[in-house]
Amino acid sequence: GAVVSQHPSRVICKSGTSVKIECRSLDFQATTMFWYRQFPKQSLMLMATSNEGSKATYEQGVEKDKFLINHASLTLSTLTVTSAHPEDSSFYICSPGQGYGYTFGSGTRLTVV
Amino acid sequence: AQKITQTQPGMFVQEKEAVTLDCTYDTSDPSYGLFWYKQPSSGEMIFLIYQGSYDQQNATEGRYSLNFQKARKSANLVISASQLGDSAMYFCAMRGRAGNTPLVFGKGTRLSVIA
Repeated sequence: GAVVSQHPSRVICKSGTSVKIECRSLDFQATTMFWYRQFPKQSLMLMATSNEGSKATYEQGVEKDKFLINHASLTLSTLTVTSAHPEDSSFYICSPGQGYGYTFGSGTRLTVV
Repeated sequence: AQKITQTQPGMFVQEKEAVTLDCTYDTSDPSYGLFWYKQPSSGEMIFLIYQGSYDQQNATEGRYSLNFQKARKSANLVISASQLGDSAMYFCAMRGRAGNTPLVFGKGTRLSVIA
């Protein structure tokens, strides 16, 4: 149980375009989804927390207008990187947190060229 | 605030030997949980083992065991009988308070298993 499906696994996009990353809970309903970012050779850092039916909360230093988070249903949370720049190239990964074994999605490796 | 410290950037171990990956933590919460994850080059985060702050016994999961020393605030991961497939990054993490809170991660340790 507690399977999170994350897509895409890899994406290359041009600078200035937007990219949407999806995390779907396949066998449970997630009221919360934590979004983490991992730069090369670094650890995972919490970016934001999405909550079903309400606004996401962002960590200090994360631009909410650049990283749009939507949690419109109990089975889908999305992260959209808007007007992507090369410095946004990173590994993005989601997790529903407690109650689901602290499982993670498989991650999305974003490269902005 | 919670903090996880992993002081070993890289470790080498001979195949079939045991290895200990160090983790110390700091928190003011009386109730907390400690986790270890394995991250292979694919990037996925593989849950290995969990220890609750009130658990009396050290957690074990197959070849993985957690050496929990509460007074010293340490939660070291012991991998027995290392295999080549154990080569990966290993992250120690913790959550605090009650409710659904995010994990705080250490910087990780890269383990390399040598044949």
